[in-house]
Amino acid sequence: EEQLVESGGGLVQPGRSLRLSCAASGFTFDIYAMHWVRQVPGKGLEWVSGISWNSGSIGYADSVKGRFTISRDNAKNSLYVHMSSLRDEDTALYYCAKDKRSYYDTPAFDMWGQGTMVTVSS
Amino acid sequence: DIVMTQSPDSLAVSLGERATINCKSSQSVLYNSNNKNYLAWYQQKPGQPPKLLLSWASTRESGVPDRVSGSGSGTDFTLTISSLQAEDVALYYCQQYYSAPFTFGPGTKVDIK
Repeated sequence: EEQLVESGGGLVQPGRSLRLSCAASGFTFDIYAMHWVRQVPGKGLEWVSGISWNSGSIGYADSVKGRFTISRDNAKNSLYVHMSSLRDEDTALYYCAKDKRSYYDTPAFDMWGQGTMVTVSS
Repeated sequence: DIVMTQSPDSLAVSLGERATINCKSSQSVLYNSNNKNYLAWYQQKPGQPPKLLLSWASTRESGVPDRVSGSGSGTDFTLTISSLQAEDVALYYCQQYYSAPFTFGPGTKVDIK
């Protein structure tokens, strides 16, 4: 069964760091681009970051550029995002999403995890 | 950034009737070199992640019923559910993937009348 499972969310103080992980299974992880998309509960969807199949191309939303770092380990079928200098407005449900293609730059997201909640609050 | 808007915000349709959702982008998402519209539609049910319904504005994903269709080009797009079923009650989002940042519309809620 194809599956994405996120982990690592929780309550964190503003200015601190957190690393989210996404474990992929049931498909050939290392040929697809992968992304993080977030959603404030009850609100809309915001693309956060994407990474191509071989980590050769990476992109970020302006709202997280310089603070978030996406990475992947194809040997472990895993996607990560390291989030630093966290702000209140980073509070959201963070989804790991699979791209239909190998490069991150034209993504339609054809598989999503259930998400991991990040709450930034003092 | 390309801004995506959707209308209406919500709609209620009788079972078996047609539901139509509109999506508009602030600039064209049609790539002239391949004549493809970089536009996707998603369905999200409460407590679930989004599900990809259509890519390239009108190409259905595997398993998506043929009562769901997409149309439009350039800046104006439509998602149509030809005969609404109870399982279609959800939020629907459009998303452009023409250029980063890849932006979503605000969503349209579909209910049963």
